[in-house]
Amino acid sequence: GAGVSQSPSNKVTEKGKDVELRCDPISGHTALYWYRQSLGQGLEFLIYFQGNSAPDKSGLPSDRFSAERTGGSVSTLTIQRTQQEDSAVYLCASSLGGPNEKLFFGSGTQLSVL
Amino acid sequence: GQNIDQPTEMTATEGAIVQINCTYQTSGFNGLFWYQQHAGEAPTFLSYNVLDGLEEKGRFSSFLSRSKGYSYLLLKELQMKDSASYLCAVPTNAGKSTFGDGTTLTVKP
Repeated sequence: GAGVSQSPSNKVTEKGKDVELRCDPISGHTALYWYRQSLGQGLEFLIYFQGNSAPDKSGLPSDRFSAERTGGSVSTLTIQRTQQEDSAVYLCASSLGGPNEKLFFGSGTQLSVL
Repeated sequence: GQNIDQPTEMTATEGAIVQINCTYQTSGFNGLFWYQQHAGEAPTFLSYNVLDGLEEKGRFSSFLSRSKGYSYLLLKELQMKDSASYLCAVPTNAGKSTFGDGTTLTVKP
């Protein structure tokens, strides 16, 4: 596709349920990022994949959060046993990799935990 | 680690000029990005500075001083559509970008 694609665009779930968020990066982009943004706040780094290197998971807030990237392309962010404080917009971005490459963002998934 | 500071909010008048500042502390410098984010939308790239000085791109310019750990985004001839959040970001050597909390700019008629 032409841009970064995320699905679903909106997800409403009950506290305690598991959710999966999907990101399809721009073709050829080796780097993929997940960020979280609460209302009116900045971007909170979650996890970063670069090529075949081990992912940087330093931003994951708890062991309920995990992510994988299959075949160097599509990524799934999984949140287990969701809590109300997990409610936020989850943004995925991709780039060509390297510190001087700009990020292209998807439209995000609005997660609401009731 | 990376630490980035930006003002939370700014207000300016249509047609005016506004300067949005960003100060940063980083263990290794690999350039500085500015992104624009309209309410309810994803951030989009505005500029990238890696050398000291001013980079001009139409109505928008970005300045960097590496010795001072300082950057600013200058918006000229403000338009109502410039109302948005402006995010400053610095990448690590590995390419991971840390973002500031963003500056929400409101342009008034």
